[in-house]
Parts: sequence; structure tokens; C-alpha cells
Amino acid sequence: NAGVMQNPRHLVRRRGQEARLRCSPMKGHSHVYWYRQLPEEGLKFMVYLQKENIIDESGMPKERFSAEFPKEGPSILRIQQVVRGDSAAYFCASSPTGTVTNEQFFGPGTRLTVL
Amino acid sequence: GENVEQHPSTLSVQEGDSAVIKCTYSDSASNYFPWYKQELGKGPQLIIDIRSNVGEKKDQRIAVTLNKTAKHFSLHITETQPEDSAVYFCAAGRGTSYGKLTFGQGTILTVHP
Repeated sequence: NAGVMQNPRHLVRRRGQEARLRCSPMKGHSHVYWYRQLPEEGLKFMVYLQKENIIDESGMPKERFSAEFPKEGPSILRIQQVVRGDSAAYFCASSPTGTVTNEQFFGPGTRLTVL
Repeated sequence: GENVEQHPSTLSVQEGDSAVIKCTYSDSASNYFPWYKQELGKGPQLIIDIRSNVGEKKDQRIAVTLNKTAKHFSLHITETQPEDSAVYFCAAGRGTSYGKLTFGQGTILTVHP
């Protein structure tokens, strides 16, 4: 049973470009969370999605950031017109239900570097 | 919203010693407290969790205690080994809500052989 998969593992973008981060949850998991980890900081919640629905995007910047989890395929975190402050590790996690006491399984992360 | 403070930010111990990491939280409605271990270049992995209806939970060399009144919880690792070296994160969440977790800042634990 494969774990949570994220790709790419490393992504380099120049200021103003777009970054697309992909997350394939564990088999049977229909709940996905995205977190951002700045250097030497903890993980900050960004967005929580179920299949085809955004449930909570309160941690995601209103501009330039968007997320989706289509019926088929991986969840996508999209950052438009990246700036240097977007440089961070982005982790997704999945769980079988949305209950907080269900373990969230984390992927290996995508490390985004903006030049 | 919830705020979780974690201390210390770095902790260095000798192999065989115990290590203690402490966290405080602000939202009295939080009732689920997981601890994650993150190794270099990997995603966080759950190592133990506790719910607010218990005060202590133990799993081999790892234990977690919770003081709801004071709103703090701690991770205890006994008989530390070099492979315990990693970054440890505490987190808090509301059991009545979905799985949004608020994480502490992390503790870099180094176990010297």
C-alpha cells in the first residue's frame, strides 16, 4: 500500500512563474490537507479538501494560491506569480475521514525554491 | 484561533538519557494532541497521540502527558538512542471538527552516542 505521494520533490521557479504541486493521497483516502513549512518553523495549515470540494481554505493566502482535488487524479496546489517569500516546503497529508482523531499521513513534501 | 507553543527549540542529550519536550495550547476546545517525528528530507510521521479524556499514554519508550487545566502537554522519550535524533512537532486539534491541526514550532533533538 503506497503512502502519500508528492511530486515534484524539488521545484525551482523564478519570480513571476507558476508552481504546481501535486499530491496523491493514500488509497482509500478522500480527505487531503496542505501545510506549508517555512525554514526552521512548524507546519502551517493552508487548506482542507475533500473530493471535488474545498472545505476550509482559511490558511491559504487569498491571492495567487489555489487548490483543487478533482474526482479523478491528484490534488493540486497552484501558486501563481511566485515570489521569494513562497520558498518553503509544502506538505500534503491524507486521511480516510475528516475526523481530527484520524491519523493524517504525510507525504515527503515538495521543496519550492523561488529565485 | 489556536496557538501552540513548543519548547525547547533544540535539545541535546546523551544516549540512554531521557528527553522531554513541552507544549502549551491556547484553545480550551482542543481535545486531540498528536506528536510527529520528522526526519531529514521526509514528511512528519505520527509517533503518539493523546485525547483529552486521558492524562497519560505510553508506548514503549515514548509517553505523553496532558494537563487540561494548565493547557499543556509533554512528550517523554526514555532510554534515548541515536536514531531518535529528528525534529519533533506537537500539534493540537478539535475532535468535534475536521482534521485541521495547529503545530508547534518544532524541537530538534540530537542524541549523542
